[in-house]
Amino acid sequence: QQPVQSPQAVILREGEDAVINCSSSKALYSVHWYRQKHGEAPVFLMILLKGGEQKGHEKISASFNEKKQQSSLYLTASQLSYSGTYFCGTERDSSYKLIFGSGTRLLVRP
Amino acid sequence: GAGVSQSPSNKVTEKGKDVELRCDPISGHTALYWYRQRLGQGLEFLIYFQGNSAPDKSGLPSDRFSAERTGESVSTLTIQRTQQEDSAVYLCASSSWNLAGRKGGELFFGEGSRLTVL
Repeated sequence: QQPVQSPQAVILREGEDAVINCSSSKALYSVHWYRQKHGEAPVFLMILLKGGEQKGHEKISASFNEKKQQSSLYLTASQLSYSGTYFCGTERDSSYKLIFGSGTRLLVRP
Repeated sequence: GAGVSQSPSNKVTEKGKDVELRCDPISGHTALYWYRQRLGQGLEFLIYFQGNSAPDKSGLPSDRFSAERTGESVSTLTIQRTQQEDSAVYLCASSSWNLAGRKGGELFFGEGSRLTVL
């Protein structure tokens, strides 16, 4: 039931764009995105609801394709502060139970 | 407190000993989660409490693991007869998203309890 994230890791130069994907084999009610910096707790980025719209947060946005049970996180004009591990969390059946993927490690270099 | 508080922050124990990890959620948050994160790995769901409803224990890896929560307050995760594979950071998170509506669905994580089993 764990969602699958891709890629597992990505290295960017500052200013470059990246896309992180999250997919599930089961129907989803919502998808969450979190970022975790080394040695710190995960921090919420955004939530996408079934039937909802694409969300945005500064230069970070995301979409949710209900038919494909997929979500994508878009990071544009990446900054050094974007480095960290990105996790998607998926919820089925309006259960409030959140299952996370294995994460995508993002490194932004100067 | 202002955030989710977990204790101890670090715990070193010997194989076979029991340990208790504590989580103090944000006041008013009815939802509380425990996750396990092994070194360099993802967030593994353990258990979910929602108010006075029966908890979802489907993620507990064995009967050595148990968790309790009194009402909408503190939760304790207990690991009995610890094994080396139990070594990990145990993260607690709380949320009010069932009350605030779906758009307020943020989980607030604590800093975690790092458990090392020798």
